[in-house]
Amino acid sequence: AQSVTQPDIHITVSEGASLELRCNYSYGATPYLFWYVQSPGQGLQLLLKYFSGDTLVQGIKGFEAEFKRSQSSFNLRKPSVHWSDAAEYFCAVGLNNDMRFGAGTRLTVKP
Amino acid sequence: SAVISQKPSRDICQRGTSLTIQCQVDSQVTMMFWYRQQPGQSLTLIATANQGSEATYESGFVIDKFPISRPNLTFSTLTVSNMSPEDSSIYLCSAGTANTEAFFGQGTRLTVV
Repeated sequence: AQSVTQPDIHITVSEGASLELRCNYSYGATPYLFWYVQSPGQGLQLLLKYFSGDTLVQGIKGFEAEFKRSQSSFNLRKPSVHWSDAAEYFCAVGLNNDMRFGAGTRLTVKP
Repeated sequence: SAVISQKPSRDICQRGTSLTIQCQVDSQVTMMFWYRQQPGQSLTLIATANQGSEATYESGFVIDKFPISRPNLTFSTLTVSNMSPEDSSIYLCSAGTANTEAFFGQGTRLTVV
């Protein structure tokens, strides 16, 4: 069955520090991969997506993610976190309009 | 990309009543979806709204409780019927075309008292 796992429920980093949010998936084929961000009281905003090609994808707000087929992973990274990055982050996988979301990782940024 | 307008943005409703949430997309899209996000939880797909036919519901969701309309390629509604406090959630509409990213509305925060 298709599934998405975000192992970290809550992560706290200091402002200016680097960030990596983990995402693993289980799927019968290579799905399309997404990262969304949800600020408090807001809808979901797409950060980046992977459909095919270069496995390192760049997104908005300085985020990037790397697709590793051998590990079934699509981890999100940012070299220097800003206080405004505090939010909930969701990894999602989809194929043929069947989109599944991970449980989410809540990011707290310390001053 | 698509811009999705969802209303109401929030509502407080009495138990036993029904609420209809509207979702308007600024362009024609193939697929429209309705999700529920319970407090502190991830998104759970309720159903896929199909234009011109009945919605396709996920396990655990039924048409009598969550009737959906999709009269055209830019609009859909979700009704939460006979509400109870357990229905208090954020309801999100999303839209996209086949095998592209989904775009989301701002959500409807429903509180049932």
